[in-house]
Amino acid sequence: AQTVTQSQPEMSVQEAETVTLSCTYDTSENNYYLFWYKQPPSRQMILVIRQEAYKQQNATENRFSVNFQKAAKSFSLKISDSQLGDTAMYFCAFMKDPYGGSQGNLIFGKGTKLSVKP
Amino acid sequence: DAGVIQSPRHEVTEMGQEVTLRCKPISGHNSLFWYRQTMMRGLELLIYFNNNVPIDDSGMPEDRFSAKMPNASFSTLKIQPSEPRDSAVYFCASSFGLVSDTQYFGPGTRLTVL
Repeated sequence: AQTVTQSQPEMSVQEAETVTLSCTYDTSENNYYLFWYKQPPSRQMILVIRQEAYKQQNATENRFSVNFQKAAKSFSLKISDSQLGDTAMYFCAFMKDPYGGSQGNLIFGKGTKLSVKP
Repeated sequence: DAGVIQSPRHEVTEMGQEVTLRCKPISGHNSLFWYRQTMMRGLELLIYFNNNVPIDDSGMPEDRFSAKMPNASFSTLKIQPSEPRDSAVYFCASSFGLVSDTQYFGPGTRLTVL
């Protein structure tokens, strides 16, 4: 069974600085997908970024980027130039490649609560 | 474009009552997922559908929970009878397909069972 671990329950960062959130996962699959979702106080789950395991290049979305280390099964999220609106819970999630009858559901970590301070 | 729509946003009910949560997926999406979020267990999948057919309901906690998807634009999650331990936030998500596509979440329904 796949598991996703986020070892930092809470983090804080000063506005405009950079912060990195950690995520590790355990799987025997070779093809899979990784995601970071953000959940602000409004409770809405918002996709931040996704990474396909077969791609060596790290995904980037504006101020958000990942450091994907497949051999180490590590998938960290870097937020540059942190903004007050980045304050939220951040969830790392894993999905097996749904080809071949595998499930397409997401397996989530417990989350990291990020506070951006002015 | 409208995102995933869930109703109600908040539901407070008494133990033993029937509760029905509703979801409208994004138009054109053919996979729909129901998740539950609690402090103790985090986010966990309850059931998911593909082309209106339930694919995996192994996450449904017990027979008190049931879900249906009568057509491509509507799904319900029903709890009967409800219990206090069912209190949680219930999310519906949809995706274009099972094939690795990104899941888009609704705003969630916060259920409180007294």
